Amino acid sequence: AQSVTQPDIHITVSEGASLELRCNYSYGATPYLFWYVQSPGQGLQLLLKYFSGDTLVQGIKGFEAEFKRSQSSFNLRKPSVHWSDAAEYFCAVGAMGGADGLTFGKGTHLIIQP
Amino acid sequence: NAGVMQNPRHLVRRRGQEARLRCSPMKGHSHVYWYRQLPEEGLKFMVYLQKENIIDESGMPKERFSAEFPKEGPSILRIQQVVRGDSAAYFCASYAGGGLRTEAFFGQGTRLTVV
Repeated sequence: AQSVTQPDIHITVSEGASLELRCNYSYGATPYLFWYVQSPGQGLQLLLKYFSGDTLVQGIKGFEAEFKRSQSSFNLRKPSVHWSDAAEYFCAVGAMGGADGLTFGKGTHLIIQP
Repeated sequence: NAGVMQNPRHLVRRRGQEARLRCSPMKGHSHVYWYRQLPEEGLKFMVYLQKENIIDESGMPKERFSAEFPKEGPSILRIQQVVRGDSAAYFCASYAGGGLRTEAFFGQGTRLTVV
C-alpha cells in the first residue's frame, strides 16, 4: 500500500530564510508525486508535481522539489520565504484515475517569523 | 481551484441528522474523488466516482455514508445519522480522466460540524 510520511508537524522559519520540507513515500511502482498548499479555511492548491524526467521540478510561488528515488524522498524547497507562505503543506503520492487517487501525508504547518 | 464548487462551505448538523455535501466538478470533468480531513490530519481517500458509477469506495465507512455522481447534477456525499466523529472537512477533487498523468483540482471543501 502506498504511504507518505512528513516527519515535521511544525516548522518555523524566519522571513527571508531558506526552507526545506521533508517528504518520504512508499509506492509500489513509479511514483507520481505532488506538493499541495492549504491556507486556513481553504482548499488545496497544487504547487508542483513530478511524473517523470528531470528530478528537479519547478513549481509556482518560487517553490521547487527534488525527487530522489534512492531515498524515496520528494523534499520541497524555497530559497527565501515570504510571510504569505505561512500555510499547511501536504505531500501526496499516487495518480488520479488509479485506485485510491492520491495518498496524502499528514501535513507540515509552516510558521513564518518576522 | 475556483472551478470545483462545493456547497455548502459550512454545515452544522445535530447528532442523528443527515448531512448532504455537494460537489460540482470543473466543466468537462467526469471523475470525482471525495476526501475527508480530520483536524491535524492529512486528507484520507473516501470514494472515487465517474458519472453514474462508483469506481472505488474502499475508503468510505460501510454504514451511514453513501456517494453518487448522477448523469446530471453534482456529486453528492450523504452522511446519515451523523455523529460527533463525522465532524471534519470534506473535499472533492475532479479531473478530466484520460490517463494517470492528469492533474486534479480541489474544491474549497465543506466543513461539517456535528453538535
